[in-house]
Amino acid sequence: SAVISQKPSRDICQRGTSLTIQCQVDSQVTMMFWYRQQPGQSLTLIATANQGSEATYESGFVIDKFPISRPNLTFSTLTVSNMSPEDSSIYLCSVEDGAYRGYGYTFGSGTRLTVV
Amino acid sequence: AQSVTQLDSHVSVSEGTPVLLRCNYSSSYSPSLFWYVQHPNKGLQLLLKYTSAATLVKGINGFEAEFKKSETSFHLTKPSAHMSDAAEYFCVVSVGGSQGNLIFGKGTKLSVKP
Repeated sequence: SAVISQKPSRDICQRGTSLTIQCQVDSQVTMMFWYRQQPGQSLTLIATANQGSEATYESGFVIDKFPISRPNLTFSTLTVSNMSPEDSSIYLCSVEDGAYRGYGYTFGSGTRLTVV
Repeated sequence: AQSVTQLDSHVSVSEGTPVLLRCNYSSSYSPSLFWYVQHPNKGLQLLLKYTSAATLVKGINGFEAEFKKSETSFHLTKPSAHMSDAAEYFCVVSVGGSQGNLIFGKGTKLSVKP
C-alpha cells in the first residue's frame, strides 16, 4: 500500500496566524484528499486535490480559509489560514491505495493542531 | 443520500471475549464499505473492505465483517478480544462513483478489560 509522510505531526499556533501542512506520497496518485477530525468527532472531507487543477471543496469549506496546493503527483499542502481556536483539530491527508485501487484508502498519520 | 450509523459510541469487553461493533448504512448505490481503526495518537489503518464480492470479509488482526444487504448492516466482529484491540473504530461508506468521498461514522471506542 501507499506510504504517506505527513508533517508536522502536531503544532500549537497563535490565533490569526496560518499553518501549512504537507503530505508526501511514495507513489504517484491522481487525487489526494484532505480531512478534518474535530475533537471527539469523526472525519469530514475538506477538499479533493487534483494535480494541475484547482481543488474541489466540500460544503462548508472555502479556498480562502483552506488553500491547497498540488504541484505534482506525489505532494500536496493544506494551509489553515487566519486560525481561530475553532480550527483546533486533527488534519489528515489521504490517497486512494494503489494496491486496492478504487476500494481502499491510505491515510497520513495526521497533524494535531491546537490554536491558542 | 449516503450515510453510515455506528450504533454504539463505546463498547467495553473483557480480554478473550467476542467483539461486536455495529454499523448500519444507507446508500442509493451498491456501496463500498470499510472499517478503519485509529489507535491513540496514530493514523487510520484499514481493517477490511467490502466491494460487492464475498459478503463475509476477513481483515487484519482476526477481524471480519459481514455485509447484509437486507439489513443494510456491516457489523465488525472478532472472536476473541486482545488488549491491543483497544482503539477507535470507524465504519465508512464510499459514495458511489466518487472516489475518495468517504462518509465516516462517528466512531466506536472499544475498551478491553484485562
